Amino acid sequence: DSGVTQTPKHLITATGQRVTLRCSPRSGDLSVYWYQQSLDQGLQFLIQYYNGEERAKGNILERFSAQQFPDLHSELNLSSLELGDSALYFCASSVEGEQGYTFGSGTRLTVV
Amino acid sequence: GQQVMQIPQYQHVQEGEDFTTYCNSSTTLSNIQWYKQRPGGHPVFLIQLVKSGEVKKQKRLTFQFGEAKKNSSLHITASHPRDSAVYICAVFAGGTSYGKLTFGQGTILTVHP
Repeated sequence: DSGVTQTPKHLITATGQRVTLRCSPRSGDLSVYWYQQSLDQGLQFLIQYYNGEERAKGNILERFSAQQFPDLHSELNLSSLELGDSALYFCASSVEGEQGYTFGSGTRLTVV
Repeated sequence: GQQVMQIPQYQHVQEGEDFTTYCNSSTTLSNIQWYKQRPGGHPVFLIQLVKSGEVKKQKRLTFQFGEAKKNSSLHITASHPRDSAVYICAVFAGGTSYGKLTFGQGTILTVHP
């Protein structure tokens, strides 16, 4: 157990639907990062939150949004899902200035 | 944005052989991190290199940061099947040492018994 909890582990949904992925960071970590990993691509940065505020944004689609709550857990919302959105979605957390990200075990999203 | 290239993309070795993967950048890096991702697993942080020419060892793994801080390597001595994984380098954007990491594509290592 890395200390970063992601739910659900697996999600199968139909095109056009909306899903919410949840992440609880490691205790004490203020930063949360979301990454997408597809079979033919590496880890693609989506968005970062730090202590409740958006800190950095990657190539995140307009159909995707995220937020970080006062208890520091984060949610990634994916809407109007397309087949191409099928991927592993990882959440990671860190303490700013310290070494390394701690990743959760990911959510495998399959859009059918 | 900051990009890093990893070579090779794939590597197959026999148990007991050595393995090296390289991570290259066109710009000077503040630091570089290495991660290991086993099949079906999540990336796990291995190490961070900060100083020019730095060499760090973890048992059979040796990590090196280039003198110009534009490249790095990970060398595994006498590989085991349990070393089979994707080895990924990562750098912070814009030459900083904090914030979002940009990950390389990774090198997929398969160690055959």
